[in-house]
Amino acid sequence: SYELTQPLSVSVALGQTARITCGGDNVGSKYVHWYQLKPGQAPVLVIYRNINRPSGIPERFSGSNSGNTATLTISRAQVGDEADYFCQVRDSSTIFGGGTKLTVL
Amino acid sequence: DVQLVESGGGLVQPGGSLRLSCTGSGFTFRDYSMNWVRQASGKGLEWVASIKQDGNEKYYVDSVKGRFTVSRDNVKNTLYLQMNSLRAEDTAVYYCARVQYYYDRSGYQEGDWFDPWGQGTQVNVSS
Repeated sequence: SYELTQPLSVSVALGQTARITCGGDNVGSKYVHWYQLKPGQAPVLVIYRNINRPSGIPERFSGSNSGNTATLTISRAQVGDEADYFCQVRDSSTIFGGGTKLTVL
Repeated sequence: DVQLVESGGGLVQPGGSLRLSCTGSGFTFRDYSMNWVRQASGKGLEWVASIKQDGNEKYYVDSVKGRFTVSRDNVKNTLYLQMNSLRAEDTAVYYCARVQYYYDRSGYQEGDWFDPWGQGTQVNVSS
């Protein structure tokens, strides 16, 4: 079955750029979606179809996908961006990455 | 305001049953495929089940096939997950999530991403 690999954690200094990767075999041929999860809250879609931001998501959030790696980039990171981030693709079924905990220092 | 609200979680013994509900508001519920996704404590997200708009197509992750049943009532705008023969490994927060649509040259197409999600309901399977 298809697998997506994410780093367990990423740290970023306040105001700097965080990059969270999502690795998978030829993932660049698939559409990747990203979700933000904060404790006790509903998950939030932050990027869909590799590069698109839903309404209400700040422009600081962007995505890319090529080859074997998709990347979620968070520019000018804020304390409020601290959360778990999950990538997702559709293969024979819906597949999620293992999640990355973002810490803003 | 588009919203999904889950209910029905709780503590159940191994082998027991539980039915989760998810009520949608702020959108035409019958027009959307719906999903259940779960997250065990300290673990990642796992897709559990999906159901098409009219309820005639249903899909499940292998680990719940034969034990869980997804259904919907488009009059009550409610999605259900009947969980039988529960196991300790079913312990998780269960989220419902709506599939999104996008528009291309062929018209509106069903996407494969989820938006919005509910806030989740906790299911604990323990003796």
